[in-house]
This record gives sequence, C-alpha cells and structure tokens, in this order.
Amino acid sequence: KAGVTQTPRYLIKTRGQQVTLSCSPISGHRSVSWYQQTPGQGLQFLFEYFSETQRNKGNFPGRFSGRQFSNSRSEMNVSTLELGDSALYLCASAVGVNSPLHFGNGTRLTVT
Amino acid sequence: QQQVKQSPQSLIVQKGGIPIINCAYENTAFDYFPWYQQFPGKGPALLIAIRPDVSEKKEGRFTISFNKSAKQFSLHIMDSQPGDSATYFCAGGSAGGSEKLVFGKGTKLTVNP
Repeated sequence: KAGVTQTPRYLIKTRGQQVTLSCSPISGHRSVSWYQQTPGQGLQFLFEYFSETQRNKGNFPGRFSGRQFSNSRSEMNVSTLELGDSALYLCASAVGVNSPLHFGNGTRLTVT
Repeated sequence: QQQVKQSPQSLIVQKGGIPIINCAYENTAFDYFPWYQQFPGKGPALLIAIRPDVSEKKEGRFTISFNKSAKQFSLHIMDSQPGDSATYFCAGGSAGGSEKLVFGKGTKLTVNP
C-alpha cells in the first residue's frame, strides 16, 4: 500500500507570493491533517479535514487555509508568504477518528 | 494547558545501551500518547502508542512507561543500535481528536557503534 504522498518535495518562493501544497492520503484514509515543523517551534498542528469538512484548526493566521476533496486528497494554501513561513509542511492521514496518524515526507518550503 | 514537555533535547549512548526519553503533559483530557521516530529527510513514523488504562506497553525493543498521577510517560529503547539514531517525538491527544496531536520538541538520539 502506498504511503502518504506530498508534492512538491521542495519549494522556493518569494515573500508576498502564495503557495499551494498537495497531499494524497493512504488509500482508504478519510482524515487528513497538516502540521508545520520548524527547528524552533517543533511540530505544530495546522488543521484537520474529514470527509471534506474541517474538523479542527490550529492557532495559525488566516493566511493558512486548506481543503479536502471528495477523493480525500487535500491541499493547503499559504497566501502573502512571510520569511517565517519557511518550514517543513507535513501531511498525515488516518482511517478516521481515533486512528493513528501516518505522515508523509513533507514539503520543504523556503521563503526568500 | 496544551504543552507536552520532552527531555532531554539530545542523547548519546553506546550500542547496547538503554536510552530513556521523558515527557510530561498538562492537559488531563489527553488519553492517547504516541511516540514517533523521524529520520533526516523523512516524515515522522509512528513507533508505539499507549492509552492511560495501562502503565506499560512493549513492542519489540521499545517500551512506553506511563504514570497517570504524575502526568508523565517515557520511552525506553532496549539494546539500542546505531540504526536507532533518529529524532524521537512524544505527543498527547484526546479521544475523538487523535488527528490533533500536541507534540514535544523532540529528542535527537545518537547511538554510537
């Protein structure tokens, strides 16, 4: 079974631009969560989707948004990029509520 | 209330040693405590998880000890190997929200041959 797939693996953007990251969950998984990982703050929860509905949202500004499609694939968007948005963005999928999270290898975003 | 404090930040042991990583949580609503292992360039991989109704769980060389009254839990790695060198994260979550995990800051483990 294929794992969680995130594209692209690496991305370089300029301050003020916007970016869209993509995540394909494990087949059969209906829950997708997004986390930001930085050396200083560690792993921080962004949001979680289940059956195309956002169930939880972390403490991030409105520039960070996401969505989930009917095939459970998910995208997250960051608008008006800031230098501090440079991070590894991790997507994780789960079968459903109370199920273990399985992470992808992330998208490394660098904002210059 | 949401924090999970993890220590130490880094740990170096010799092959065959038993590294111990400790975590403490504040949110009493947490009832799911997983440990993740992350290698450079990879995403975190679930290693082992425990719920508060048991005090210890063992899977292979990895053991979680859980102390509900102290709100602490720890990971022990028996007979550690150089291949165990990675960063380890503990986390806490609550029922119905395991997708919203609160992670510790991580422990970088180095196992020397």
